[in-house]
Amino acid sequence: AQSVTQLGSHVSVSEGALVLLRCNYSSSVPPYLFWYVQYPNQGLQLLLKYTTGATLVKGINGFEAEFKKSETSFHLTKPSAHMSDAAEYFCAVSDGGGSNYKLTFGKGTLLTVNP
Amino acid sequence: GAGVSQSPRYKVAKRGQDVALRCDPISGHVSLFWYQQALGQGPEFLTYFQNEAQLDKSGLPSDRFFAERPEGSVSTLKIQRTQQEDSAVYLCASSLAGASGTGELFFGEGSRLTVL
Repeated sequence: AQSVTQLGSHVSVSEGALVLLRCNYSSSVPPYLFWYVQYPNQGLQLLLKYTTGATLVKGINGFEAEFKKSETSFHLTKPSAHMSDAAEYFCAVSDGGGSNYKLTFGKGTLLTVNP
Repeated sequence: GAGVSQSPRYKVAKRGQDVALRCDPISGHVSLFWYQQALGQGPEFLTYFQNEAQLDKSGLPSDRFFAERPEGSVSTLKIQRTQQEDSAVYLCASSLAGASGTGELFFGEGSRLTVL
């Protein structure tokens, strides 16, 4: 069974500061990894995903994440936070084998950006 | 429409009532998913359709939950004899890819169910 742990249910940063949202996963097979963002009153939107190949993946809005197999991590970063980044962020994993449609999500991290 | 549309956005039901939640996926999307998101939790998988076939219903919490997609487009999630623990946001997502693909899931805004 797969699981996802997001460290910190709430992260607060100043505008212009580094954003670091942590995600660790467990999976018995090579995983596919995802970050989704949810703005207030909107649906979940894909930020970026890792399937195979380059372990540093770039997404929308200046976010990137690095797959580290040895650490079973897929942390999300952005060099400089913007007010518009305030949202809830979800890390998710799927079985990279035959059932990669079924996502297992973490509990989410609420990002607050202070002026 | 351009995105995944869900209705109703909000539903209040008395315990024991039946409810039906509708999902209209993006036109042409093969795959359709239902997830349940309880307060303060991440979404949890309920069921998956590829066209009209329900290929996985392993996440449905009880036999009171039933989903269908008879013509391979619109889907309905039905909950019979609702209980308070059914209170959650029900998310629908669709994808152009089939089960073996890595296509992006496009989520609707969700239907928030409150059972009194």
